[in-house]
Amino acid sequence: ETGVTQTPRHLVMGMTNKKSLKCEQHLGHNAMYWYKQSAKKPLELMFVYNFKEQTENNSVPSRFSPECPNSSHLFLHLHTLQPEDSALYLCASSQEGLGLGEQYFGPGTRLTVT
Amino acid sequence: QKEVEQNSGPLSVPEGAIASLNCTYSDRVSQSFFWYRQYSGKSPELIMSIYSNGDKEDGRFTAQLNKASQYVSLLIRDSQPSDSATYLCAVNTGTASKLTFGTGTRLQVTL
Repeated sequence: ETGVTQTPRHLVMGMTNKKSLKCEQHLGHNAMYWYKQSAKKPLELMFVYNFKEQTENNSVPSRFSPECPNSSHLFLHLHTLQPEDSALYLCASSQEGLGLGEQYFGPGTRLTVT
Repeated sequence: QKEVEQNSGPLSVPEGAIASLNCTYSDRVSQSFFWYRQYSGKSPELIMSIYSNGDKEDGRFTAQLNKASQYVSLLIRDSQPSDSATYLCAVNTGTASKLTFGTGTRLQVTL
C-alpha cells in the first residue's frame, strides 16, 4: 500500500447504526486529519491529530468520535447520524515541522445516511 | 472569519490555451498556499505549493503569489481535456498545517 488509504470507500447507514471509518497513512507523517466535503461547500476540517494527540476539534457534533491509536492510523466512529451528515469524508496526512506542511489526501469514504 | 475566495466557474478554455485560476484570501498572516486538483468523484490531489512572492513553475503549471494583494493564482499552459477538474485553493492560516479551503473553480477544457 502507498500513500493514504481509507476504508470503506462507500457506506450506507441508518440513523441508528454505529459504524467506523478507517484511515491509514504509509508516508511516515506525524499529523493526520479528518475533513468533510459536502456539495457546494468548502472542505471542512473536523479533527487534527499531531503525534497522536488531538490538537483541533472544529465544533464537531459528538456523534462523530475520532480515535488515533498511533501516528499511522486514524478512525472516525459514527453513531446516530443525521441525513445532513451524508458527505464525502476525507482523511489526510502531513509532516509537521518540515517543508510547507503539504497535506495528502486519501480516496475518501462516500457516506449516505438514510 | 478567515476566508478563501474562488470563482466557482465553470471556466471554459479551448485545448492548447492558458487557463488562469485565481484565489484571494483574507488573513494577512497566511504563510503557505496550495493548489489541489479534484476530479469528479475523487479526492483532492496536491499539484502546487508556494510560500514566497513571485512565480513557481512545475511543468505546465505556474503558481503566482502576491502577498501584498493577498492573491494567489494558478496558470495551466497548453491546457488538455484531462485538466478538466475542480481546482481548490488552500491557505495555511495558522499552526499545525491548518488549511482553509476555497470552494473551488471548475475548469472545462474544450476540444
